[in-house]
Amino acid sequence: DVKVTQSSRYLVKRTGEKVFLECVQDMDHENMFWYRQDPGLGLRLIYFSYDVKMKEKGDIPEGYSVSREKKERFSLILESASTNQTSMYLCASSPAMGNSPLHFGNGTRLTVT
Amino acid sequence: SQKIEQNSEALNIQEGKTATLTCNYTNYSPAYLQWYRQDPGRGPVFLLLIRENEKEKRKERLKVTFDTTLKQSLFHITASQPADSATYLCALVSSGNTPLVFGKGTRLSVIA
Repeated sequence: DVKVTQSSRYLVKRTGEKVFLECVQDMDHENMFWYRQDPGLGLRLIYFSYDVKMKEKGDIPEGYSVSREKKERFSLILESASTNQTSMYLCASSPAMGNSPLHFGNGTRLTVT
Repeated sequence: SQKIEQNSEALNIQEGKTATLTCNYTNYSPAYLQWYRQDPGRGPVFLLLIRENEKEKRKERLKVTFDTTLKQSLFHITASQPADSATYLCALVSSGNTPLVFGKGTRLSVIA
């Protein structure tokens, strides 16, 4: 069974801090994704990566960056956290685009105060 | 503009009945459409995928239909149980190399 592990379930950070959210998958999947989920707005794609060291912007990349140095690990970075980045962050992986299901982690609930 | 709309935020049904959830889309030509289940505090879990040339897909008590003329997918849960209570998300892919785009979900409550 595919496992996608997010390093923290809950995180509380202060405005202006640099925040790292880590995600690891154990199935050698090519593609990895970061979404945020907010009430009334649903899941929105922040960034994705289809290969090591490759990254593509999603729908809402502003204020975020990502890093994929190894195939199994995809990090989301908030350079200077702001209160409007308080959200549930979900990482996912898939072996291919389009016709493959996404495998999600259980999310990191980030609160920025 | 492109839109994915799930018919309602919340749906309540009685145990044993069939739940029908709707996903409508605008200005997409999806190659694939997927349905996910999400429980509170957890990530979504994949349920079913249907291709543009398929009309219907079944898995146990679940059935998905895909009508590209109406631009709509229906998701049915037959003989619903309280354990089916969750949020159900539809998601679509326009072409082979683009990521999934999700609807906002419908929260289903099955009442005993």
